[in-house]
Amino acid sequence: DAGVTQSPTHLIKTRGQQVTLRCSPKSGHDTVSWYQQALGQGPQFIFQYYEEEERQRGNFPDRFSGHQFPNYSSELNVNALLLGDSALYLCASSSRTGFNQPQHFGDGTRLSIL
Amino acid sequence: KQEVTQIPAALSVPEGENLVLNCSFTDSAIYNLQWFRQDPGKGLTSLLLIQSSQREQTSGRLNASLDKSSGRSTLYIAASQPGDSATYLCAVNRCNEDNNNDMRFGAGTRLTVKP
Repeated sequence: DAGVTQSPTHLIKTRGQQVTLRCSPKSGHDTVSWYQQALGQGPQFIFQYYEEEERQRGNFPDRFSGHQFPNYSSELNVNALLLGDSALYLCASSSRTGFNQPQHFGDGTRLSIL
Repeated sequence: KQEVTQIPAALSVPEGENLVLNCSFTDSAIYNLQWFRQDPGKGLTSLLLIQSSQREQTSGRLNASLDKSSGRSTLYIAASQPGDSATYLCAVNRCNEDNNNDMRFGAGTRLTVKP
């Protein structure tokens, strides 16, 4: 039973570029949440997807967008990259019907902006 | 707005010591609280989840307590080992208006256990 998988593990981009990160949820989960974790900080909520729609959003600009596919996998897109976007991006999955159950996290994608 | 604070930010102890990590939160209307472990450059590993109706949860050498009314949780680690060295994060979870998870994290406590 595969857990949450994220790709790629590491990525280097330059300012102004665009990036797409991918996440496959744990088997049986239908909800995907994305978090940004800056060095030395706790994860900050970006947004959550369920039924292929963005259901809630944290305090992030429109440069951050996402998508969820029919198989529940998800993408996070970031446009016009800034140096401050350098962070570990974490994906977490859960079951909407079991919202009181623990979220499961992937190992993240380390994004570095030069 | 839910604020989660973890004290201390860093902690160094000799092997074998018992230790306590603290987490406080401002909004007591939570559904559960979760403690995670994070190794450098890695994702989060769930350690313990305490439902709002529970007072504590135990797993091996770990014991987490929850006092929802005072907005506090502690993670107790018994007989610490060098392999326990990691950052420990707490996160509080509530159900928002759309019946979705709304999880807020503390900044973590970086634990070093010296051999």
